[in-house]
Amino acid sequence: NAGVTQTPKFRILKIGQSMTLQCTQDMNHNYMYWYRQDPGMGLKLIYYSVGAGITDKGEVPNGYNVSRSTTEDFPLRLELAAPSQTSVYFCASIKQGWGTEAFFGQGTRLTVV
Amino acid sequence: QQQVKQSPQSLIVQKGGISIINCAYENTAFDYFPWYQQFPGKGPALLIAIRPDVSEKKEGRFTISFNKSAKQFSLHIMDSQPGDSATYFCAASMMDSSYKLIFGSGTRLLVRP
Repeated sequence: NAGVTQTPKFRILKIGQSMTLQCTQDMNHNYMYWYRQDPGMGLKLIYYSVGAGITDKGEVPNGYNVSRSTTEDFPLRLELAAPSQTSVYFCASIKQGWGTEAFFGQGTRLTVV
Repeated sequence: QQQVKQSPQSLIVQKGGISIINCAYENTAFDYFPWYQQFPGKGPALLIAIRPDVSEKKEGRFTISFNKSAKQFSLHIMDSQPGDSATYFCAASMMDSSYKLIFGSGTRLLVRP
């Protein structure tokens, strides 16, 4: 049972480059989320999705885009990388219902130079 | 209104001691308060959670105390062990808000042998 899988685990980007962070889950969860984690700042919500074809902005969406074409996959796109996007990115999923556990991937550490 | 404030930022405890981490929230619509534990290089994992109509929940050495009137909740780790050394995040969410987790800023716990 793989749970939530993120790729890549590490990446270095140059300013202005673009990339896609991949996230897939095999638990048939409806709800998926992208967070970024910066030192001393906790986890901030970037985008989320309540089901295939439905996405919405979180607290810090600027500079990112998402899509949700299937229940399993929720990729995060950085179009023009900036140093401020240097962070650790976590994807998470929840099965619909109050009080259900959020399952997180192992994260992608991104450095923009 | 969406913030969750967490303290302390870091905590050092001797083996066998009690670790206490505190959180406060503003939005009274929150209806789920989980604590997540994160080890270096890993994603957060659910440790214990409470609903606002309960004042205390205990699971093994971990206890959540919840004070609805003060809008505060805390995590107590009894008989702290070196294996408990990790970063702990409190969080809050609302069923009516797509279960989005609002995280505190995290507490880095070090338990000395």
